Amino acid sequence: NAGVTQTPKFRVLKTGQSMTLLCAQDMNHEYMYWYRQDPGMGLRLIHYSVGEGTTAKGEVPDGYNVSRLKKQNFLLGLESAAPSQTSVYFCASSYSITGGGLTEAFFGQGTRLTVV
Amino acid sequence: AQKVTQAQTEISVVEKEDVTLDCVYETRDTTYYLFWYKQPPSGELVFLIRRNSFDEQNEISGRYSWNFQKSTSSFNFTITASQVVDSAVYFCALRPASGGSYIPTFGRGTSLIVHP
Repeated sequence: NAGVTQTPKFRVLKTGQSMTLLCAQDMNHEYMYWYRQDPGMGLRLIHYSVGEGTTAKGEVPDGYNVSRLKKQNFLLGLESAAPSQTSVYFCASSYSITGGGLTEAFFGQGTRLTVV
Repeated sequence: AQKVTQAQTEISVVEKEDVTLDCVYETRDTTYYLFWYKQPPSGELVFLIRRNSFDEQNEISGRYSWNFQKSTSSFNFTITASQVVDSAVYFCALRPASGGSYIPTFGRGTSLIVHP
C-alpha cells in the first residue's frame, strides 16, 4: 500500500521556468491538499480539492494552479517560478468528515523545490 | 475560520526530562477534530493522534500523553522521559466537522530538541 506518493522529490528551477508536481494516492480519499512548508511558517495551504473535477484556493494560492482530473491524482503547477516559491511542498489526502471517523490527513514525503 | 496556535517555537530539553508541547485553538464549529503530527529530521509527516470534540478523555500511548480541555480550547501533548529520537518538529492541527468546510488548519509547529 503506497499511500500518498509525490514526484519529484527534489527539483531546481530557474526563475521563469514552469513545472508540475504530481501527487497520487491509493486510499480512495475524496479530499486532497497541497501545502508549502517554510521555516517558522508551518504548513500553509495552497490549494485543495474535495472531489474529482473540483479545486479551491487555500491560504497562499498566488502563482500556483492545480487540477484534479482523476480522483487519485492532484497536480500542482507553477507557470513561472519565482525565488519566493522556494519551499518544501507536501501533498496530503483524507476522507471526507463522514469517512467513518478516519479524519486525519496522510502526507506524501515532500518535494524540495529551489528556484534560482 | 479556525486558528491553531503553538506558542512554543522551540523547546530544548535533556534526555529523560518530561516535556509538554502546547496547542491552543480557535473555532466556531461545534464539532471538530484535533490532531498531532511529528516531523522528524528526515522530513516526513507522521500522524500521531486524532481526537474528536466530543471526547475529552486523556489519551496515553507509551511515553506520549495528550490532554484535551475544551474549556480552555487546548490540546497539549506531553512526552515523558524524553529520548533523543523524540527530536522533531511537532504540529497540532484542527479539522472542522460541521459548517461545510472540512479543511484542516495547522499550527506553525514546535521544534523539540532532546540533548543526550
